[in-house]
Amino acid sequence: DAKTTQPTSMDCAEGRAANLPCNHSTISGNEYVYWYRQIHSQGPQYIIHGLKNNETNEMASLIITEDRKSSTLILPHATLRDTAVYYCIVRSLSGSARQLTFGSGTQLTVLP
Amino acid sequence: EPEVTQTPSHQVTQMGQEVILRCVPISNHLYFYWYRQILGQKVEFLVSFYNNEISEKSEIFDDQFSVERPDGSNFTLKIRSTKLEDSAMYFCASQDGVRRENTEAFFGQGTRLTVV
Repeated sequence: DAKTTQPTSMDCAEGRAANLPCNHSTISGNEYVYWYRQIHSQGPQYIIHGLKNNETNEMASLIITEDRKSSTLILPHATLRDTAVYYCIVRSLSGSARQLTFGSGTQLTVLP
Repeated sequence: EPEVTQTPSHQVTQMGQEVILRCVPISNHLYFYWYRQILGQKVEFLVSFYNNEISEKSEIFDDQFSVERPDGSNFTLKIRSTKLEDSAMYFCASQDGVRRENTEAFFGQGTRLTVV
């Protein structure tokens, strides 16, 4: 699986959009970009995933650049409960392995 | 909303004892996983399980570890002789098998294992 690079930490004001960047310059054509978050040692929670088109669901939006070398997770109106570690994971579709490889992620702190 | 449930939430055991961590995956899911997270460290993959057998395992998953799906609903992780360094949060996850390449994995809330 391709390696990802994320900032160690970010702050965001409550009610504002949180934009979390991720670099995955070695991503290959059949690899998806997944985002998970982990709130205070709870189990990781799926947020969103995409291949090359921008995606939106009830939690967030995912913007993937045209060259697919980077992406941004957008939480449109961050709340205090969005404070968590956010993981950007690139996942290979080839072979039998389907496990997720977690990095260090970005600690997002939403400030009141 | 369906969820993965894990029991117990916290387990304390003496070094050298056997422990069994239990998980009930989401019904109709076909892929099952165990991950662990040592305090302050990354979430690490241990093992994946499909069609009643291990499909992948990491270097961490040595002979002290085993997994089982004994009754079609539970998915268990057994540590045969616990060591102090086995102290961690253990997360179970399950995944739909229909669109296997791009479906998300759902995680349980974890079991905190403390080996003393």
